[in-house]
Amino acid sequence: EVQLVESGGGLVQPGGSPRLSCAASGFTFSRYWMHWVRQVPGRGLVWVSRINTDGSITNYADSVKGRFTISRDNARNTLYLQMSRLRVEDTALYYCVRAGDGYNYFDYWGQGTLVTVSS
Amino acid sequence: DIVMTQTPLSLSVTPGQPASISCKSSQSLLHSNGKTYLSWYLQKPGQSPQLLIYEVSSRFSGVPHVFSGSGSGTDFTLEISRVEADDVGVYYCMQATDLPRTFGQGTKVEIK
Repeated sequence: EVQLVESGGGLVQPGGSPRLSCAASGFTFSRYWMHWVRQVPGRGLVWVSRINTDGSITNYADSVKGRFTISRDNARNTLYLQMSRLRVEDTALYYCVRAGDGYNYFDYWGQGTLVTVSS
Repeated sequence: DIVMTQTPLSLSVTPGQPASISCKSSQSLLHSNGKTYLSWYLQKPGQSPQLLIYEVSSRFSGVPHVFSGSGSGTDFTLEISRVEADDVGVYYCMQATDLPRTFGQGTKVEIK
């Protein structure tokens, strides 16, 4: 069974730098592109970032470019999102998402980890 | 960025009746490889989104046949042939033809 379990969220002050983690299991993690998608509670879905299978290709939404860094450790089956210079508007539930075969749809989602940016 | 526009934004359906959601993109989703990367997701209350349909019309594993997707270019539709109580939630379309990936605003489906 595919499982994606996020952690690392919580209350953070503006300007903070938390790191989100996503522990993957139930599939060969190193074979799949992975993404982060966020959702302000009660609002829609917003794509944040993606990374290819070996970590050599990364892409970001303009809103987080230069502040967030996606990475992965295939030996530990773990995806990361290093966040920095956080803003109030980064407050959201952050989902770890697996891209399906062909990497152009999202076939499995984690339960999300909530990041609240507030002073 | 490709803008995805869903209509309606909310839908109240009698159990057993059909429902249809439209998703329009601001530019064609036909990729240079000939595929069209439009997918549909359902976010049930209190849950993470789940994949229903990918590449316009392919049902994901385990998705009931009551769900079907169609369309091409910039106009797409998700149809539910007979809505059940378990189908309530917010439905999103998403394009993966270009970066950034973008979602529609969501369509909230409820039961009458």
